[in-house]
Amino acid sequence: GAGVSQSPSNKVTEKGKDVELRCDPISGHTALYWYRQRLGQGLEFLIYFQGNSAPDKSGLPSDRFSAERTGESVSTLTIQRTQQEDSAVYLCASSLSASGEKYNEQFFGPGTRLTVL
Amino acid sequence: GDSVTQMEGPVTLSEEAFLTINCTYTATGYPSLFWYVQYPGEGLQLLLKATKADDKGSNKGFEATYRKETTSFHLEKGSVQVSDSAVYFCALMSYGQNFVFGPGTRLSVLP
Repeated sequence: GAGVSQSPSNKVTEKGKDVELRCDPISGHTALYWYRQRLGQGLEFLIYFQGNSAPDKSGLPSDRFSAERTGESVSTLTIQRTQQEDSAVYLCASSLSASGEKYNEQFFGPGTRLTVL
Repeated sequence: GDSVTQMEGPVTLSEEAFLTINCTYTATGYPSLFWYVQYPGEGLQLLLKATKADDKGSNKGFEATYRKETTSFHLEKGSVQVSDSAVYFCALMSYGQNFVFGPGTRLSVLP
């Protein structure tokens, strides 16, 4: 497929466990973004990558959250010692570039719904 | 920092009614403005965009005009359909910065 894909689509975990969420961007897209969407709320920016570097990590809610990206492909968002307030849909998006082009469209994946019991 | 405010939902309309979803923003400089739509069970997708003052973005019968003087980008459609039922997000991007999204407005169109 040509779109952004995310896995798993749903994840149920127990409080205190670690989880890994995966995002496969559109081929050729150098920029990759992670957002969190709590129930009934808007999108909360977490982090973005330009290539495999992360110039802006300001949105990560705590040091339990981390993300990495291999080259200009797959990214993994890891949440350690999950808490109930981490329950949300985690969305990934990619775009051609995060700089230069003034209005690069972001293409979104379907999201991973995380439920922490 | 930059921010986006949208009218609170949910908005419920009858088919063929006129739709307005208000969006105002706060930003330094001259951001690009966007409306994204999230249909039930699907991911967000770009609906329309405008990159400078007085630009009008349009798609699928929806329109929004970039109003610098009122810092607004209201979404309008003359005649909504049941298939327009979705959550609509207003967003901005200042050059070299990240996207900032509004909280979303849920639209329900009844037959």
